[in-house]
Amino acid sequence: AQSVTQPDIHITVSEGASLELRCNYSYGATPYLFWYVQSPGQGLQLLLKYFSGDTLVQGIKGFEAEFKRSQSSFNLRKPSVHWSDAAEYFCAVGARRGSYGGSQGNLIFGKGTKLSVKP
Amino acid sequence: GAGVSQSPSNKVTEKGKDVELRCDPISGHTALYWYRQSLGQGLEFLIYFQGNSAPDKSGLPSDRFSAERTGGSVSTLTIQRTQQEDSAVYLCASSLGLGAQYFGPGTRLLVL
Repeated sequence: AQSVTQPDIHITVSEGASLELRCNYSYGATPYLFWYVQSPGQGLQLLLKYFSGDTLVQGIKGFEAEFKRSQSSFNLRKPSVHWSDAAEYFCAVGARRGSYGGSQGNLIFGKGTKLSVKP
Repeated sequence: GAGVSQSPSNKVTEKGKDVELRCDPISGHTALYWYRQSLGQGLEFLIYFQGNSAPDKSGLPSDRFSAERTGGSVSTLTIQRTQQEDSAVYLCASSLGLGAQYFGPGTRLLVL
């Protein structure tokens, strides 16, 4: 069965420092991979996605993620964190479901990593 | 363009009552998904509609939960005989083909 693990429940970084949030997935084939961000009381905003091709993907707000098949990982990175990045971050995997007209099907989410930013 | 919208944004109900939650997907999106977010369980998939195919109901936690999608657009999630454990944020998302899922702001349901 598919699963997503985000090993860090809570991370605190200083403003301006670099950030890496870890994500490991379990899936029998190459999955679709996503990172979403959720601010308090808000819905989920898509940061970036990996479907195929270049394993380093760029997203919004200066975030990037790298797909490493050998490690079953899709870690999220940002070179310099801003106070406004404080939020909860979710990694997700989607199955490839050709029988559904090529849709990705439902997502399986990790438990999330809460990011706090120190001034 | 307009994103996914959900209504109501908040709903308080008494145990045993039925509730209906509405989702308006992004115009033209063929797939629509319902998820539930709670403190104990994280984000859980509930049900998925793709075009005219039969919905994937594999995530519905009990037969008290049902959903329909009318005209390939608006969807309603119905919870009958609500229980306190149904209290959660119900999130709707939509996508176009292989595209990413875009989420609405959610409906916060509190069952007293």
